Amino acid sequence: GNSVTQMEGPVTLSEEAFLTINCTYTATGYPSLFWYVQYPGEGLQLLLKATKADDKGSNKGFEATYRKETTSFHLEKGSVQVSDSAVYFCALSGYTGGFKTIFGAGTRLFVKA
Amino acid sequence: GAGVSQSPSNKVTEKGKDVELRCDPISGHTALYWYRQRLGQGLEFLIYFQGNSAPDKSGLPSDRFSAERTGESVSTLTIQRTQQEDSAVYLCASSRISGGILSSYEQYFGPGTRLTVT
Repeated sequence: GNSVTQMEGPVTLSEEAFLTINCTYTATGYPSLFWYVQYPGEGLQLLLKATKADDKGSNKGFEATYRKETTSFHLEKGSVQVSDSAVYFCALSGYTGGFKTIFGAGTRLFVKA
Repeated sequence: GAGVSQSPSNKVTEKGKDVELRCDPISGHTALYWYRQRLGQGLEFLIYFQGNSAPDKSGLPSDRFSAERTGESVSTLTIQRTQQEDSAVYLCASSRISGGILSSYEQYFGPGTRLTVT
């Protein structure tokens, strides 16, 4: 079945450092890929998405490219801010007789000033 | 427009009692999902509704858990004979399924109901 694996956290970085959070997936068919973010005390919200191979999703300085050959969707940001501290979830949606979304376990990011 | 709403926002109950959690999805969203998120952990899928199709109940952890949905609107998640391990935040999400199986269908989450079983 479909699955998502993302790097374990927590990840601790200094402000302005480069961020990579790895995400790999297994899926049949043509899934869409997502990154969701959960800021402290808030609900989950969509950060970015990509619907087909080689698509790049981007938002708020974050980027992720849908790599079918490596089945990956790594999240990157060139210069993190303290306000980026949150939990990041990689997710996959694909038709497998239904439209269930599979979430990764989440990666907690701490950014120090 | 209005987002996904959930009620109550917080619920404290005694072990053994039944609880009912409510979710109002975004109007026009045919798909509705329930998840459980224990403290510091990821999302655990519970159940999924899509239109008039039979719900996918594969994530419900025991027969104490059940959920209903009225048409394409309100859903209730019921936990009977609550146990302390049921303490968690219960999240509801909805999405609009369109464009067939190749469409993108991001989910919109409600704020969650924090359940504490004492």
